[in-house]
Amino acid sequence: DAKTTQPPSMDCAEGRAANLPCNHSTISGNEYVYWYRQIHSQGPQYIIHGLKNNETNEMASLIITEDRKSSTLILPHATLRDTAVYYCIVRSRYNNAGNMLTFGGGTRLMVKP
Amino acid sequence: NAGVTQTPKFQVLKTGQSMTLQCAQDMNHNSMYWYRQDPGMGLRLIYYSASEGTTDKGEVPNGYNVSRLNKREFSLRLESAAPSQTSVYFCASSAVAGVTDTQYFGPGTRLTVL
Repeated sequence: DAKTTQPPSMDCAEGRAANLPCNHSTISGNEYVYWYRQIHSQGPQYIIHGLKNNETNEMASLIITEDRKSSTLILPHATLRDTAVYYCIVRSRYNNAGNMLTFGGGTRLMVKP
Repeated sequence: NAGVTQTPKFQVLKTGQSMTLQCAQDMNHNSMYWYRQDPGMGLRLIYYSASEGTTDKGEVPNGYNVSRLNKREFSLRLESAAPSQTSVYFCASSAVAGVTDTQYFGPGTRLTVL
């Protein structure tokens, strides 16, 4: 699976959009981009995933560049409850290792009042 | 729906003791997983069960055994605990073991081995 690079930490003002970048320059055509987050002391929570098109759900939007080498997770109106570590994960369609999620370091997002 | 539940929430063991971590899901999922998370690190897969009756090793299986008791339950056993197994253990489940399938995680078991 392709490796990902994320900034270790970011701050965001409450009510503003939080834009979390992820670099996955070695991504291949059969690999999906997934985002999970982990609020302190809790299990990871699925947010969104995409292959090549931009995606939106009730939690967030995922913008994938045309060359697929990077993506941005957007939380449109961040709240204090969005403070968490956000993980960008690239998963291969042909991953035989039990659908394993490979978590890197993630970005620690701090939403401030 | 409770989702994925894990017991116990906390456990302290002495080196050499054994214990079993329990996990259950009520979402009728076929696949279940055990991960560990060391302080400041991401999660690493220990074992998984793609479907009832099957189990396979993940990235860090040494020192652990698993049992897929039925479709709902997947347990993780430490036969002889070591301090290196001090970690937070997360169980997860997904409908199927497919790349586009979402995994849902339990709240975790915090294990300390002295």
